[in-house]
Amino acid sequence: GENVEQHPSTLSVQEGDSAVIKCTYSDSASNYFPWYKQELGKRPQLIIDIRSNVGEKKDQRIAVTLNKTAKHFSLHITETQPEDSAVYFCAASRGIKAAGNKLTFGGGTRVLVKP
Amino acid sequence: KAGVTQTPRYLIKTRGQQVTLSCSPISGHRSVSWYQQTPGQGLQFLFEYFSETQRNKGNFPGRFSGRQFSNSRSEMNVSTLELGDSALYLCASSLEGQWTDTQYFGPGTRLTVL
Repeated sequence: GENVEQHPSTLSVQEGDSAVIKCTYSDSASNYFPWYKQELGKRPQLIIDIRSNVGEKKDQRIAVTLNKTAKHFSLHITETQPEDSAVYFCAASRGIKAAGNKLTFGGGTRVLVKP
Repeated sequence: KAGVTQTPRYLIKTRGQQVTLSCSPISGHRSVSWYQQTPGQGLQFLFEYFSETQRNKGNFPGRFSGRQFSNSRSEMNVSTLELGDSALYLCASSLEGQWTDTQYFGPGTRLTVL
């Protein structure tokens, strides 16, 4: 089955600096890659996603890049702010109707933005 | 629209008991997925229901089961509870359960098994 590895497990950055989280996946049939942010005691919330026919997607301070050949994708947060402190999860799923939308998650990255 | 809701929010059980958790999806959403979240294993997929049918299943023992009702509400059941079942159980709903559909998570049910 699909396996998603996420690095680093913890990341501490100074406010205003950039943060980068990397994920690799094993199933070459995966073609949908969402990123979720989970604040302490809260539910995971989608922050950005990317499909395999796109190499990069940006939404304000957040961007995601995808390298299908190497089977890895990354989350980039620029100009980090204290409210970016949370656990971030990458995920992957197969774009096949019969597969529904079963998500395989990475292990998570705890990001701490120091003021 | 109201978000995904889950009941109860907290539950304490003892080993050997069984438990039923409930999930109400966003109005109009027909797919409900369940995930187990633990510090050691992270977020793991349990199963997905669509139109009252289980469409996907993760690698969990048969003690974990679920169902979906005609109004798309879903329940999951865990029988013969073990200490290792202590976790946050999250459900997520999406419109049609298609691969591009965003999954919206509920607040979770925190289950503690003593």
